[in-house]
Amino acid sequence: GAGVSQSPSNKVTEKGKDVELRCDPISGHTALYWYRQSLGQGLEFLIYFQGNSAPDKSGLPSDRFSAERTGGSVSTLTIQRTQQEDSAVYLCASRQGPNTGELFFGEGSRLTVL
Amino acid sequence: SQQGEEDPQALSIQEGENATMNCSYKTSINNLQWYRQNSGRGLVHLILIRSNEREKHSGRLRVTLDTSKKSSSLLITASRAADTASYFCATDLTGGGNKLTFGTGTQLKVEL
Repeated sequence: GAGVSQSPSNKVTEKGKDVELRCDPISGHTALYWYRQSLGQGLEFLIYFQGNSAPDKSGLPSDRFSAERTGGSVSTLTIQRTQQEDSAVYLCASRQGPNTGELFFGEGSRLTVL
Repeated sequence: SQQGEEDPQALSIQEGENATMNCSYKTSINNLQWYRQNSGRGLVHLILIRSNEREKHSGRLRVTLDTSKKSSSLLITASRAADTASYFCATDLTGGGNKLTFGTGTQLKVEL
């Protein structure tokens, strides 16, 4: 596609429910990143994919968070048993490959846990 | 603590003035990048400076890098109201496993 696409753009859920956030990177980009941004804060790294593998999962805040990437393209971030502190904007970004410069970001998925 | 920390946290200037934002980091880097984020939107890449470069220009943007002080600055000249946004530095760390680490950002407001 022309840019990084994320869905849903907004998600309101109840505490304890599971949510799935989707990221469709720019075609041909092998590196894909997930970040979390709480209101008025900087970006917190969650996970990085190179192709389908995730060499760096160090940022996932708990075992309720998981992510996968299939076919070297679309990625899904899953949050199980959501908590109120999970409320944030989840940003996905891609770039051509490791160490190839700039990241291209999607518009984010805003998650609100009631 | 954050790898990249910007200062000031917030900056308010008049249109036409210059805006300077600073970024400090802690460990050695391959490159440092600056991004802009309009409210409620994703981040947009502005400029990348490599560790062996000291200064880089792009339009009204000027970035400097001092690896001995582990700091960078972003200068926006002749600011416009449309420059109002948050600005983040991001470091591509040496041996950092291809992870870009973002700072806390500077909120810039340019008033007419």
